[in-house]
Amino acid sequence: NAGVTQTPKFQVLKTGQSMTLQCAQDMNHNSMYWYRQDPGMGLRLIYYSASEGTTDKGEVPNGYNVSRLNKREFSLRLESAAPSQTSVYFCASSEDSPRGYTFGSGTRLTVV
Amino acid sequence: AQRVTQPEKLLSVFKGAPVELKCNYSYSGSPELFWYVQYSRQRLQLLLRHISRESIKGFTADLNKGETSFHLKKPFAQEEDSAMYYCALYPGGNKLVFGAGTILRVKS
Repeated sequence: NAGVTQTPKFQVLKTGQSMTLQCAQDMNHNSMYWYRQDPGMGLRLIYYSASEGTTDKGEVPNGYNVSRLNKREFSLRLESAAPSQTSVYFCASSEDSPRGYTFGSGTRLTVV
Repeated sequence: AQRVTQPEKLLSVFKGAPVELKCNYSYSGSPELFWYVQYSRQRLQLLLRHISRESIKGFTADLNKGETSFHLKKPFAQEEDSAMYYCALYPGGNKLVFGAGTILRVKS
């Protein structure tokens, strides 16, 4: 009963490098989300996917791209990492938002 | 605009004291509101939602539409309540809007 699985848990990148954060859920949820968590800023939505094959921008999408590969998987890509993208990234999924999200354990990313 | 405000970054109380974590929202429609909690080294998890009118781990939250608030309360704090608490608003559109969070520290 894994729920939402994120990989990697930690990552250090140099400015300009690219990487993809992976997220998979095994609850057959339709909706998936990527948030970033920064001190004093709370959780801010980067991108979300309401269903397989659709993606939409959230509050802070600049510098990121996403792919909803199938119903289970939703990846977040940083094409050219910047120090401002140093953050903790959370993936979440939901069957129906008012019932609440299920979160992954997070990826702590540092860009130097 | 839809917004959630948690005015306190840190709330420190003694064990056994009452706790109130403040949350105010800005939304023109009929809101759906939630409290999420993140304990140390654990993932974020749903604590409670106003529509259920439930009490979880001794916490309650009442929606006050007049004051646009959804404060989280517990009459007697316990050390294991120490965590980060997020208030969240569902304005529709399949996504939640979170506040900045409040760290609750319960001292022995």
